Amino acid sequence: SQQGEEDPQALSIQEGENATMNCSYKTSINNLQWYRQNSGRGLVHLILIRSNEREKHSGRLRVTLDTSKKSSSLLITASRAADTASYFCATDARGSTLGRLYFGRGTQLTVWP
Amino acid sequence: SAVISQKPSRDICQRGTSLTIQCQVDSQVTMMFWYRQQPGQSLTLIATANQGSEATYESGFVIDKFPISRPNLTFSTLTVSNMSPEDSSIYLCSVEPTEGLFYNEQFFGPGTRLTVL
Repeated sequence: SQQGEEDPQALSIQEGENATMNCSYKTSINNLQWYRQNSGRGLVHLILIRSNEREKHSGRLRVTLDTSKKSSSLLITASRAADTASYFCATDARGSTLGRLYFGRGTQLTVWP
Repeated sequence: SAVISQKPSRDICQRGTSLTIQCQVDSQVTMMFWYRQQPGQSLTLIATANQGSEATYESGFVIDKFPISRPNLTFSTLTVSNMSPEDSSIYLCSVEPTEGLFYNEQFFGPGTRLTVL
């Protein structure tokens, strides 16, 4: 299936450290999106990166995309306790139902004060 | 970005009953989706609910179990019918603008946490 896979499944760091999460997928994509989910709540959209882009920034977030390796990474710099959440990548596969997103299982990030 | 609200935010229901979840968007959008997130799992698409056409269901989901309405460009409902404990999940609606600054970005509502006893 197209489903993305995040790595690691869980990440525990101290405030101020950087957090890096990776996402791999299987088929060609139009774009890839990263989301944050606080415990049991809705998803917050973080960044969309298109297949012809290699890197995007938004505040403390940096996303890279390597279509040759079918992988993406999300870097959170200078992490804060409020960044504690689950992070998901979602791909929009070429040729699939318009708008259909394939989600990975997520990375649970814990940031200790 | 689109602002999305869902009602109810959570509910506890008895098996065999049905629950209708409402999704309201603050702007007109053509594409709307319903997802399910089972406990500890990722999100799975239930169906695509575009205004002006019948909902399109993903494999494993059927209209009799998850009937959907999409009466206009800002509103949709998902009904979970004849519920069983296996239906206990978070149900989320999402929208994807097809034009403008947020083209292709998919935004999610806050979710409805359903527990079936």
